[in-house]
Amino acid sequence: AQSVAQPEDQVNVAEGNPLTVKCTYSVSGNPYLFWYVQYPNRGLQFLLKYITGDNLVKGSYGFEAEFNKSQTSFHLKKPSALVSDSALYFCAVSPTSGGSYIPTFGRGTSLIVHP
Amino acid sequence: GAVVSQHPSWVICKSGTSVKIECRSLDFQATTMFWYRQFPKQSLMLMATSNEGSKATYEQGVEKDKFLINHASLTLSTLTVTSAHPEDSSFYICSASPVVTEAFFGQGTRLTVV
Repeated sequence: AQSVAQPEDQVNVAEGNPLTVKCTYSVSGNPYLFWYVQYPNRGLQFLLKYITGDNLVKGSYGFEAEFNKSQTSFHLKKPSALVSDSALYFCAVSPTSGGSYIPTFGRGTSLIVHP
Repeated sequence: GAVVSQHPSWVICKSGTSVKIECRSLDFQATTMFWYRQFPKQSLMLMATSNEGSKATYEQGVEKDKFLINHASLTLSTLTVTSAHPEDSSFYICSASPVVTEAFFGQGTRLTVV
């Protein structure tokens, strides 16, 4: 069975500072990895994904994530945080086998960017 | 990117009544759609996989008679919460995948049962 761990319930960072939201995963075989952002009372918005290729993936709104196979991690990063980045962030993993996209989500990390 | 539209965004209903939530893929066809439930400050819990033209596949612990799913066409899936009770109050989200490596989510429906 696949699983995703987001070890931090909340991450606090000052505006302009770099941010990291951590994610580790467990899946049989090679994974598809995703990051989504959720604003209050809204659905999930896609940020970025890793399918194959370059381990450093760049996504929307200046976010990027690095796939580390040996550490089974896919941490989300941004060089300079904005107050508007404050939201709930979900990491998700889906197996590459089976032909279907059925992601398992982490529990979410609340990012709070202070002015 | 592809758009998934979910309606209504919020609904308040009386205990014992039924509520229907619609999920539409606006610019692609989706043979499979997914329904999730999200409790406050928690992750998304997959409730069921909606398959066009066939019965939905429910996750363990989800009452299929309580949460009726119909995937009438390649662009529309509906979730009906039957005989709703206050414990059914939650945030419900649908998603659809145009390709196996990507999914798009509806904006969610906040259901409050009073």
